[in-house]
Amino acid sequence: GAVVSQHPSWVICKSGTSVKIECRSLDFQATTMFWYRQFPKQSLMLMATSNEGSKATYEQGVEKDKFLINHASLTLSTLTVTSAHPEDSSFYICSARPDTAWGEQYFGPGTRLTVT
Amino acid sequence: DAKTTQPNSMESNEEEPVHLPCNHSTISGTDYIHWYRQLPSQGPEYVIHGLTSNVNNRMASLAIAEDRKSSTLILHRATLRDAAVYYCILGYSGYALNFGKGTSLLVTP
Repeated sequence: GAVVSQHPSWVICKSGTSVKIECRSLDFQATTMFWYRQFPKQSLMLMATSNEGSKATYEQGVEKDKFLINHASLTLSTLTVTSAHPEDSSFYICSARPDTAWGEQYFGPGTRLTVT
Repeated sequence: DAKTTQPNSMESNEEEPVHLPCNHSTISGTDYIHWYRQLPSQGPEYVIHGLTSNVNNRMASLAIAEDRKSSTLILHRATLRDAAVYYCILGYSGYALNFGKGTSLLVTP
């Protein structure tokens, strides 16, 4: 089946530093990937839609200069949290839509970010 | 976006069937009904989806009301590994999904 990986699975960083999270589709190409955020005991909230070769589309209330998304290839999208603060601590989850199966979407295992 | 209503939590005994309801009275004609589940500290996992007809796969069955205003996810024999939050989501799976609060399923031995 289609597999999406994320790296790292967890990360701890100090306030003010930047953190990069990778999302890879391992066995399919995905022009479109999605980034979600989930706070403890809450549901997933869409942050942005990432498209290979073009700028990401951010949801209302998500700062594009703080959450930098780069979809450099058909199998890789990265989310960089710049100048992280404790309130950015969350579970970040990506998903990918196969180019050959637009009716499907596969999720990564998530990345736990803790900012101290 | 059309909304869904699910019970906050449900409990089932192991090896018994589980029926997870979802109400979606404002569903549009083009909305698919998707079910995903999320185990603790993991990404969501696809369970099943359908449009109008009932659907079966190796994980579950999806029963869709004739007027499509409600649906039920059926786990035929619950196991401890089925304990998760189950999300009923309307839309098209190829687009970003709008996750509600879901139903937290507790399975007891």
